Formats: sequence, C-alpha cells, structure tokens
Amino acid sequence: GNSVTQMEGPVTLSEEAFLTINCTYTATGYPSLFWYVQYPGEGLQLLLKATKADDKGSNKGFEATYRKETTSFHLEKGSVQVSDSAVYFCALMNYGGATNKLIFGTGTLLAVQP
Amino acid sequence: DGGITQSPKYLFRKEGQNVTLSCEQNLNHDAMYWYRQDPGQGLRLIYYSQIVNDFQKGDIAEGYSVSREKKESFPLTVTSAQKNPTAFYLCASSIRGATLSFYEQYFGPGTRLTVT
Repeated sequence: GNSVTQMEGPVTLSEEAFLTINCTYTATGYPSLFWYVQYPGEGLQLLLKATKADDKGSNKGFEATYRKETTSFHLEKGSVQVSDSAVYFCALMNYGGATNKLIFGTGTLLAVQP
Repeated sequence: DGGITQSPKYLFRKEGQNVTLSCEQNLNHDAMYWYRQDPGQGLRLIYYSQIVNDFQKGDIAEGYSVSREKKESFPLTVTSAQKNPTAFYLCASSIRGATLSFYEQYFGPGTRLTVT
C-alpha cells in the first residue's frame, strides 16, 4: 500500500542554519508529492508540491525534489528563521482510483532558536 | 477572500452527547474531506465527499457521520459512539480536474474538540 515515512523530530536549529527534513515514500504508480506546514494551533498550509519525477517544488525559500529512483522528497531550506518553527508534513496522493486521498507522514517538528 | 472556515475553533462537550462541527468553503471546490489529528500523529481521513449528496468512509469513520447537501458545506457529527472523540479536526477541500482526478487539498483552521 501507499505510505510516507518522515524523519522523527524534533529538529532544533539555530537561526540561519541549513534545514533538511527527510521524507521517503512507498507507492504504486506515479504519485504527486506535497509538503504541508502547520503552525501552532492552526490548520495545514500547502507549502510546495511536485507532480512528476525530477520536478522541484519551491516556495518561501523551501525546496524539495521528487526523486523516483530513491523514492524521496526531502525538504530543504538554506537559512531558517525563527518564524519557520512549525510542524512539517510530507504527503502523497495517487491520482485515479476510488479515493484520490492524501497519505500523510507523522510530521516533523522544527524549532528554530534565535 | 476565498477560503475554508471551520467553527467553532474550540468546542467542549460532555461524554454521551453528539456534536456537529461546521465546515464551509467558498472556493467552489468539488471535493471535501474531514481529518482527525491526534498529538504526535499524522492526519487520518474520516470521511470524504467528491460530489454533492455523495460521501464515502475514510480510514476511521466509526462513530462519525456526515452530510453533503450543498457544495459549499460538509458538516461532521461526532456521535456518542466515538470512543475517543477528543482531538483536533481538520476540514479540507480540493478541485476536480478534467479526468476525475482531484488536485491538492486546502485546509481550514481546524476545530479542537474536548469531550469530558
């Protein structure tokens, strides 16, 4: 079946440090991949997406590349800020079939210290 | 502004009572979804609806019910049969593409339900 595995948190970084949050997936076919961000007490916001192999999604300084050969979609940012502190969820969606539902990882808490 | 609204933000109920969570969207999206989030866990799908007057069970539908009488509204009722109802509930919606595929989901701000 389809599944997403994220690195466990919390990830604690100093401001301006480089961020990587690992995400690997298992899926049949050619899923689309997403990163969502959740700030404390809020809903999820779509951060970026990629719909086919070798696509790079990017937004607000965050990037992730869809690597089919390693079934990965790691999230990166060159210089994090305190305001980036949140929980990050990796997710996949396999189009077609009965549900078109999102499959989420368990989330990774990022804490950025000044 | 287009978006998804959920109300209320916080909800408190006594055990044994049914409670209905509201979800409204003005994005003209075709599909709507309800998820449950528990601390330290990912989101789990409760119910989804791809079209008005039709809905399907997700992975954890027991103890919940929904209706989809209007395109913009998808209320969730947490019944007394739900054994552990205290959680953060998130509603989402997505638009349907030309080939019955659905695009990315957009989420509301969530409702935190506490049952004592």
